[in-house]
Formats: sequence, structure tokens, C-alpha cells
Amino acid sequence: DAKTTQPPSMDCAEGRAANLPCNHSTISGNEYVYWYRQIHSQGPQYIIHGLKNNETNEMASLIITEDRKSSTLILPHATLRDTAVYYCIVKNNQGGKLIFGQGTELSVKP
Amino acid sequence: GAVVSQHPSWVICKSGTSVKIECRSLDFQATTMFWYRQFPKQSLMLMATSNEGSKATYEQGVEKDKFLINHASLTLSTLTVTSAHPEDSSFYICSASPAFGTGEKLFFGSGTQLSVL
Repeated sequence: DAKTTQPPSMDCAEGRAANLPCNHSTISGNEYVYWYRQIHSQGPQYIIHGLKNNETNEMASLIITEDRKSSTLILPHATLRDTAVYYCIVKNNQGGKLIFGQGTELSVKP
Repeated sequence: GAVVSQHPSWVICKSGTSVKIECRSLDFQATTMFWYRQFPKQSLMLMATSNEGSKATYEQGVEKDKFLINHASLTLSTLTVTSAHPEDSSFYICSASPAFGTGEKLFFGSGTQLSVL
């Protein structure tokens, strides 16, 4: 599966939008972009995924560039409980394994 | 959403003993489950893919005789750490999907913290 590149850490003020970037320049046509997050000492939590169109759900928005080589996860109004490690993963839709990179450690500050 | 239950949440054992960790899909059937291991301040590392009714597929470098995986039903997979040693102390996490392989999301258990004394 394609690899992703994320900044190791980011800070965000509480109540502001958190924009987490991800580069996946070698993504293949049948690979989805997934975002998960892991709060300390818990199992990862699914956030959102998409193929090429932008997606939005109750947790976040996913913006995928037209060439699909990068994406941005947007938490519109970050809260302290959004402090976590956020993982961007690309995976095919044919049983491909979910391989975690190093992720971005997001700290939401008061 | 779908729920994956993992038990126990934490376990402490003596060196040389075996420890079994259970992973259950509570409201869906899962033909495939995944086992991960995570050391402090590191990312999740995939250990193996558990397939219902067949042998598990292990990632390179993971000892299959040490980490025994059994996926006897569509809702239960177990990971047994045999002859555990202090270096096996880690956070073990399982995951499953009701429709894996179709672009669907994986759901994760809450993890098991294993401490080997």
C-alpha cells in the first residue's frame, strides 16, 4: 500500500478549526484515503474516508486534491477532547491491510 | 456503529506463562480480523491477519509459534502470547469490519495492555 507523510505534531486553539495535512503522492487509483485517531491508551477510532470526492460527516471533513496526491482533515471546531494522534492511511478496497504510519499528534489548547 | 470488544483490558503475568486475549465483534460477523501491537510512543504495528476457519497470516518478523491466533467463529478471534517474556510487554489491539474489502472502515477494540514481569 502507498505510504503517507504527515507532520509529527500540530497545535490548535480550542474552538478553532484544526487542519491536518497528509501527502500520499504514490496513491493508486483504487486506494482510499482513511483517517483514524487514537486517544492515549485507547484503540484507534475511525473518523472518515474518501476516494476522490470531498467528504463530510458529523466528526470532520475530508478534502482530497484533484490529483489525489494529498488531503486535509478538517475538524471544524476543535475541543480539548480532540487531542489525539491522527493517522492518515491509504488502502485499497480489495482487502488491503491497514498500515499505520507515525501520524500527527494534535494538541488542542485552551 | 459496529462494536469490537476486547478482553481483558490489562493483564499482568509472570515470565514464561501464556496469556490469551479475546476479540469479539458484538453486532456483526467478521471473516477477517487484524491484530496490532503498539509500544510506548510508537505507532501501531500490524502483527497478523486472522481469517475465520483458516490459518492466520503473519507479517514479516512476527513469530507465529509465539503469537498463536485462532479465529474459530465469525465473531471471535483470540491471540495467545505463549511463554511471555518482558519484551512482549506491549499494548495489543484487534480490529474487524463487517464488510472488509469493500472500502469499508475497520473498527477497533479498546486494546489490552500486557505487562510481563
